[in-house]
Amino acid sequence: GESVGLHLPTLSVQEGDNSIINCAYSNSASDYFIWYKQESGKGPQFIIDIRSNMDKRQGQRVTVLLNKTVKHLSLQIAATQPGDSAVYFCVAPGGGNKLTFGTGTQLKVEL
Amino acid sequence: NAGVTQTPKFRVLKTGQSMTLLCAQDMNHEYMYWYRQDPGMGLRLIHYSVGEGTTAKGEVPDGYNVSRLKKQNFLLGLESAAPSQTSVYFCAGGGTGELFFGEGSRLTVL
Repeated sequence: GESVGLHLPTLSVQEGDNSIINCAYSNSASDYFIWYKQESGKGPQFIIDIRSNMDKRQGQRVTVLLNKTVKHLSLQIAATQPGDSAVYFCVAPGGGNKLTFGTGTQLKVEL
Repeated sequence: NAGVTQTPKFRVLKTGQSMTLLCAQDMNHEYMYWYRQDPGMGLRLIHYSVGEGTTAKGEVPDGYNVSRLKKQNFLLGLESAAPSQTSVYFCAGGGTGELFFGEGSRLTVL
């Protein structure tokens, strides 16, 4: 299957600190992995993705790391801001582009 | 260009009633998805479609039916609503990779 799981359901960080959100996946056949952010009362929004042949990809203030050996994905947010408070989901597409989201991690930014 | 639009945004039903949620997209996406979101449960995939005229079951398909007669529309039907179907429903469209989500439809079944 393509189940995804998260190590920590809630993560609290101080404003300005770096955040690291972790995700374990089981589908070794996924060609790519995606991170989504969901703010309260809204639908999820795409943050960044990474191909399975890559180990690292950087975006604006975000970095995604992929460790295929241990089937682990992480999202790093630099200089965390109050606007980063949200639920974060990692997605590992299954066969036929079946996209399952899992529970997510709640990121809380403390002022 | 509205992206992905869901209607209605709110609905209250009585147990046993039927209803249809409409998802419309103007971005020419091949793939469309219906999810439900309950507190503490994350997003669970109900049904999805990889193209016009095709549908497939997701994680929690029981009690729901879908149709994709036109590429731009993906309908989610509840034939006989149950209180367990009280939830927020999200539709999404996309290709391989990024999904674009609607704003959600809050359904309450009494």
